[in-house]
Amino acid sequence: QLQLRQSGPALVKPSETLSLTCTVSGGSINAPNYFWGWIRQSPGKGLEWIGTLYYAGTIDYNPSLKGRVTMSVDISDNQLSLKLRSVTAADTAVYFCASRYCTNGVCYVAFDPWGQGTPVTVS
Amino acid sequence: QSVLTQPPSASATPGQRVTISCSGSSSNIGGNTVNWYQQLPGTAPKLLIYSTNQRPSGVPDRFSGSKSGTSASLAISGLQSEDEADYYCASWDDSLKAVVFGGGTLLTVL
Repeated sequence: QLQLRQSGPALVKPSETLSLTCTVSGGSINAPNYFWGWIRQSPGKGLEWIGTLYYAGTIDYNPSLKGRVTMSVDISDNQLSLKLRSVTAADTAVYFCASRYCTNGVCYVAFDPWGQGTPVTVS
Repeated sequence: QSVLTQPPSASATPGQRVTISCSGSSSNIGGNTVNWYQQLPGTAPKLLIYSTNQRPSGVPDRFSGSKSGTSASLAISGLQSEDEADYYCASWDDSLKAVVFGGGTLLTVL
């Protein structure tokens, strides 16, 4: 059973870089056909997709964040990371990592499971 | 303003059936599958429906999804108190080249 455990600072200063890590257990982050995503949720608001990193190395970023965001994987540590540069108060949110949903050997365009979420305040 | 439009709230009594709508366009729902996520208070979202109308293992068959044109719906029958949560629809948008979410619907079980 795939599990995602997030880590990272809860407080980031304006103009600095937000860095989060998502450690995957129960499976390989380099598994074929998988993709990995980051999604955030501002206080009292809905979900906002940040980006998706695909098995082949391709990355799709939310156009609204492109230029400030970088996603990468560390295969040796089985970790996914997110870096968001030049943060402002508008980047205050709970950040989630998530895996592609796969069942019975078939993968779908959906996210599940999700990490527990990391609340990040920019102040 | 979310690309996919959901009603901000819905309510029903236990045992009733409730439907949550998700309106989009030809560039998202009209041409791609829809997923639904359930978010219980203080927890991470959980996949409820994938590929428009499929349930992951463990999701009760009280939950069902459908799509018609550029709109999708989530139906919950035999409503239970534990169904009280936020529900989000999501799809890929070919024009924006982005995953888009609805604004979420808070379901209250009266």
